[in-house]
Amino acid sequence: AQSVTQLDSHVSVSEGTPVLLRCNYSSSYSPSLFWYVQHPNKGLQLLLKYTSAATLVKGINGFEAEFKKSETSFHLTKPSAHMSDAAEYFCVVSDKASGAGSYQLTFGKGTKLSVIP
Amino acid sequence: DAGVIQSPRHEVTEMGQEVTLRCKPISGHNSLFWYRQTMMRGLELLIYFNNNVPIDDSGMPEDRFSAKMPNASFSTLKIQPSEPRDSAVYFCASRPTGGETQYFGPGTRLLVL
Repeated sequence: AQSVTQLDSHVSVSEGTPVLLRCNYSSSYSPSLFWYVQHPNKGLQLLLKYTSAATLVKGINGFEAEFKKSETSFHLTKPSAHMSDAAEYFCVVSDKASGAGSYQLTFGKGTKLSVIP
Repeated sequence: DAGVIQSPRHEVTEMGQEVTLRCKPISGHNSLFWYRQTMMRGLELLIYFNNNVPIDDSGMPEDRFSAKMPNASFSTLKIQPSEPRDSAVYFCASRPTGGETQYFGPGTRLLVL
């Protein structure tokens, strides 16, 4: 069984300061991990994904995440927050379970990021 | 590419009425997922199709909910009769053959009065 824990339901940062959104996962298999972003009244957009290649993954809009197997973590970071980053962020895990058509996603509860001008 | 298309974007209906939500996946994607998002429960997978065949419908809340995928380019999620507790945002997502990434539509915001 797989699960995802997003450690903060709400993070608030000042514009121009670093962003850290924390995510821990558990997985029985070699997982793939994703971060999605959801702006208000919008759908989910893929920010980045880890699929067993490089452990440091770069995504869109200056975000990146590092896969740390020893810590079962996949935290999302950005060096400098922008007002447009205010949104809800979801950490997602996908187990490479056996059987065709698998790869079902398990979503975290989400972290709402506020950016203060 | 147009992305995943959902209609309607907003739906307001009265309790007891039938509601039909529609989804057009990205062309060439062979898997389709319906999700429901609420404040209380977050994102929940309702049903998942692979090559137009329902594979896992264990997330469908009850018999009032049904989903079909008559062809590779169209799916519907129907609620009959609707109830106020069905109010939520319903997302459709599609995934390419052999891929892991799901691509989400903009969602349908449903309000049942």
